[in-house]
Amino acid sequence: GEDVEQSLFLSVREGDSSVINCTYTDSSSTYLYWYKQEPGAGLQLLTYIFSNMDMKQDQRLTVLLNKKDKHLSLRIADTQTGDSAIYFCAETGPGAGSYQLTFGKGTKLSVIP
Amino acid sequence: DADVTQTPRNRITKTGKRIMLECSQTKGHDRMYWYRQDPGLGLQLIYYSFDVKDINKGEISDGYSVSRQAQAKFSLSLESAIPNQTALYFCATSDARDRKETQYFGPGTRLLVL
Repeated sequence: GEDVEQSLFLSVREGDSSVINCTYTDSSSTYLYWYKQEPGAGLQLLTYIFSNMDMKQDQRLTVLLNKKDKHLSLRIADTQTGDSAIYFCAETGPGAGSYQLTFGKGTKLSVIP
Repeated sequence: DADVTQTPRNRITKTGKRIMLECSQTKGHDRMYWYRQDPGLGLQLIYYSFDVKDINKGEISDGYSVSRQAQAKFSLSLESAIPNQTALYFCATSDARDRKETQYFGPGTRLLVL
């Protein structure tokens, strides 16, 4: 079945860069996403990347996609305490054109002041 | 005002009770979803609906039912609650015209089944 894997925890110091990694299985996914969940809140779309792109940059966020290895990463530059949250990788699937999202288990990012 | 609202935000119930969680949206989206979130397990899809007359089971629908009362309302029912249904429940919406299928989440309902 479809599966999205990511490490559960990451701890970084304020001002450093954070890199959250994800592997996915559905090579037909059209879009891949990063959602952010702050404490006590629902998920919010942070950024996404179209499957024919290798990289997308949006201010402090850089998304890298390696389709050959089915690996997605999210880099947060100059990490701030406000970036502390759970980050979910997600892909559309199963199957091309699918509207369903398959989420990873989430990576809890802790930022040390 | 929040675009996707869920009521109640917190609920404690006993085993065997029937409960309903409600979701309303003002985004005008046609698609709505119910997920549950368990610590360390991510989100699992329970049910989804593409319009008022379309209801589909997700990966973990057993023990749950849904009702799409209107385009803006999608409720989730636990017919006979059991302790392993203790979880955080999220409603989400999306717009069929959005090619990237962004989903917009409500704030969640925390359910405890004793």
